[in-house]
Amino acid sequence: GENVGLHLPTLSVQEGDNSIINCAYSNSASDYFIWYKQESGKGPQFIIDIRSNMDKRQGQRVTVLLNKTVKHLSLQIAATQPGDSAVYFCAEGSLAGANNLFFGTGTRLTVIP
Amino acid sequence: EAQVTQNPRYLITVTGKKLTVTCSQNMNHEYMSWYRQDPGLGLRQIYYSMNVEVTDKGDVPEGYKVSRKEKRNFPLILESPSPNQTSLYFCASSLTGAQGRAFFGQGTRLTVV
Repeated sequence: GENVGLHLPTLSVQEGDNSIINCAYSNSASDYFIWYKQESGKGPQFIIDIRSNMDKRQGQRVTVLLNKTVKHLSLQIAATQPGDSAVYFCAEGSLAGANNLFFGTGTRLTVIP
Repeated sequence: EAQVTQNPRYLITVTGKKLTVTCSQNMNHEYMSWYRQDPGLGLRQIYYSMNVEVTDKGDVPEGYKVSRKEKRNFPLILESPSPNQTSLYFCASSLTGAQGRAFFGQGTRLTVV
């Protein structure tokens, strides 16, 4: 599979602070990236996605940044809340190629009240 | 309510005893897929289906079979389970493909002894 990894396996932040979760990918041909959140005992939930023709995309309290030069993307969560505590996965894929995704190993985010 | 339903949620079986994990979605999605989740390895795709009677291998298809006879159902079949297939399994569906928001089931925890 693809080498989609994360710089930090765990991240702890104070409630109200901003969180940044990083992800590195190795396949320069990947042109589609997506972030999922997985709470304990549940299936992953879609957060946000981005195509390679964009550098930044914003959602509600979340922003994804894509740096194709260094094959890196990040997920920024503003004003982190206790409900944001979860494991976050990035995944990469190709819009034109096989219709599958390659997931990273995940980062566990813990929000300290 | 839009959902992906997997059954069973938990299963303990013995090596070699055929089993099926069912997956059903009520959103009329064309794309469905199966993943396994193992500690330290993240989510790995087993099989996916673009539509009825159209299935394809993902990253780790060995030891698994799938079928897509109806749009809403995508069962995962283990003809002869082995202990290395002990894992947490997720079914997912999305409207058009892997490159889009996917809805995941609650997961099936399988133990093969």
